Amino acid sequence: QKEVEQNSGPLSVPEGAIASLNCTYSDRGSQSFFWYRQYSGKSPELIMSIYSNGDKEDGRFTAQLNKASQYVSLLIRDSQPSDSATYLCAVRAGNNRKLIWGLGTSLAVNP
Amino acid sequence: KAGVTQTPRYLIKTRGQQVTLSCSPISGHRSVSWYQQTPGQGLQFLFEYFSETQRNKGNFPGRFSGRQFSNSRSEMNVSTLELGDSALYLCASSLDRDGGQYFGPGTRLTVT
Repeated sequence: QKEVEQNSGPLSVPEGAIASLNCTYSDRGSQSFFWYRQYSGKSPELIMSIYSNGDKEDGRFTAQLNKASQYVSLLIRDSQPSDSATYLCAVRAGNNRKLIWGLGTSLAVNP
Repeated sequence: KAGVTQTPRYLIKTRGQQVTLSCSPISGHRSVSWYQQTPGQGLQFLFEYFSETQRNKGNFPGRFSGRQFSNSRSEMNVSTLELGDSALYLCASSLDRDGGQYFGPGTRLTVT
């Protein structure tokens, strides 16, 4: 069973700090990796995509992928209260390229 | 570019009835996936369509079905509704089967 695992949290950080969210996956052949943000009562929003080892930066967000260790992380710099949400990790794996979802990590940024 | 649209946004049905939900993907996107989300549950994958063919299917009973049309628009149908089918149903589209998915606002279904 291909799996994606995340700490459920809640992860609590003070405003202005760096929030670090982690995700591990079981299928070594996974090809593409995504981070989504979901506010309560809203649908998930794609915030980062990463396909190769290393870091990818977009504004205050940095995604880090390490295929050898089978983890992908999301760093949020200068965290704001508006970043408080559930962050979902998703991984495309297998020949059928099915998108496998983690259960999400709840992030609370405290003013 | 317009986002993913879903209709209707809210729906109330009675147990035993059937329901059809509609999804229009982002222009040019050929893959459409459907998910069920209930409070406290993660995203539960229903099915994925690409070029009018079902490519992946989740672990839902046969009461749940879907289809995709030649213009990539998709519908899902739930027959013989049960109280447990009350949920937010999300549609997501992607350009192809490798990229990230973009979600619509969802259809909130209540079964009484």
